[in-house]
Amino acid sequence: NAGVTQTPKFQVLKTGQSMTLQCAQDMNHEYMSWYRQDPGMGLRLIHYSVGAGITDQGEVPNGYNVSRSTTEDFPLRLLSAAPSQTSVYFCASSYSGAGGRATNEKLFFGSGTQLSVL
Amino acid sequence: AQSVAQPEDQVNVAEGNPLTVKCTYSVSGNPYLFWYVQYPNRGLQFLLKYITGDNLVKGSYGFEAEFNKSQTSFHLKKPSALVSDSALYFCAVRDIRGFQKLVFGTGTRLLVSP
Repeated sequence: NAGVTQTPKFQVLKTGQSMTLQCAQDMNHEYMSWYRQDPGMGLRLIHYSVGAGITDQGEVPNGYNVSRSTTEDFPLRLLSAAPSQTSVYFCASSYSGAGGRATNEKLFFGSGTQLSVL
Repeated sequence: AQSVAQPEDQVNVAEGNPLTVKCTYSVSGNPYLFWYVQYPNRGLQFLLKYITGDNLVKGSYGFEAEFNKSQTSFHLKKPSALVSDSALYFCAVRDIRGFQKLVFGTGTRLLVSP
């Protein structure tokens, strides 16, 4: 059972560089999301997707892009990295139930990507 | 906007003693509340959830949470703490926009001493 797989585990970028954080799940979950975790701030939602071809913004979307071409994958792109994007990033997925509107299903999290932007 | 507050950055308890990790919430409508745990260098893991029904919710690893509507609280409890319970605990509430979008608290570090 792989669950939610994130790569890479660690990354160091220079300001202005771009990169993609990968997330894949093998549970056939419709819902996928990206959070960032910062000390003293808990987790904040960046972007989410309720199915292939459908994405929407969360609480802190600026500086990040996402796409969802398949059910399994939900990559997060940093277009031009900034020091403020230094954080731990978590991908999470969940079953959405019949009709895609389940609201009480638990999230399954990946093990995270620790990103430093110098 | 939906929000949760975890007033304690850290809770210290001796092994074998009961533990409580506090959470209060502010929501519009009925609250959907969750507790997650994060062990070092790991992603968050689901512990339990409250949707409706009994105010005492039982979850994984012997944890339970008490929903109190009058005090707008959802405290996490365990009758007898283990050293292995030491971790970071997050309370969360479902965002008003629905689905599985959660609004997380700032987290409480639980340290259980032998």
